[in-house]
Amino acid sequence: GAGVSQSPSNKVTEKGKDVELRCDPISGHTALYWYRQSLGQGLEFLIYFQGNSAPDKSGLPSDRFSAERTGGSVSTLTIQRTQQEDSAVYLCASSGGLYSGNTIYFGEGSWLTVV
Amino acid sequence: EDQVTQSPEALRLQEGESSSLNCSYTVSGLRGLFWYRQDPGKGPEFLFTLYSAGEEKEKERLKATLTKKESFLHITAPKPEDSATYLCAVQAGNNDMRFGAGTRLTVKP
Repeated sequence: GAGVSQSPSNKVTEKGKDVELRCDPISGHTALYWYRQSLGQGLEFLIYFQGNSAPDKSGLPSDRFSAERTGGSVSTLTIQRTQQEDSAVYLCASSGGLYSGNTIYFGEGSWLTVV
Repeated sequence: EDQVTQSPEALRLQEGESSSLNCSYTVSGLRGLFWYRQDPGKGPEFLFTLYSAGEEKEKERLKATLTKKESFLHITAPKPEDSATYLCAVQAGNNDMRFGAGTRLTVKP
């Protein structure tokens, strides 16, 4: 696609429910990143994929968070048993295309509110 | 551990008042330093990539420079539409990208 696409753009969920956030990277990009941004805060690194493998999972805040990437393309970030502190914007980015090199390009984010 | 520190946290300028934003970093094997602009409710928008000390890039009123320890984003004669949060990020040899907390810039007319 032309840009990084994320869905849903907004999600309100009840505490304790599971949520799935989807990221469709720029076509041809080999690397995919997930970040979390709380209101008024900087970007917190969560996980990075190169192809389908995740060399760096160090940023996942707890074992309630998991992510996978299939076919070297779409990625899903899953949060189980959501807590109120999980409320944030979840940003996906991709890089590694033929002409973009290692510059990462972001989607517009998925706004998660846990009530 | 790789670290990225941006200063100041917030900067208020009058229209036309030039200034600079700072990004200090410590990283093993720098592959690139990146500047992004983020408007409220939006994802970060790519501005520049710098790869080696001494490199400079320009775009409209913005100019980014890089040394071995820090990068500056110079804003010349800013306009209100330059108001945004400016993020700096470094990419190390393992390919992951670490961001600073950002500088929130407000330009008053």
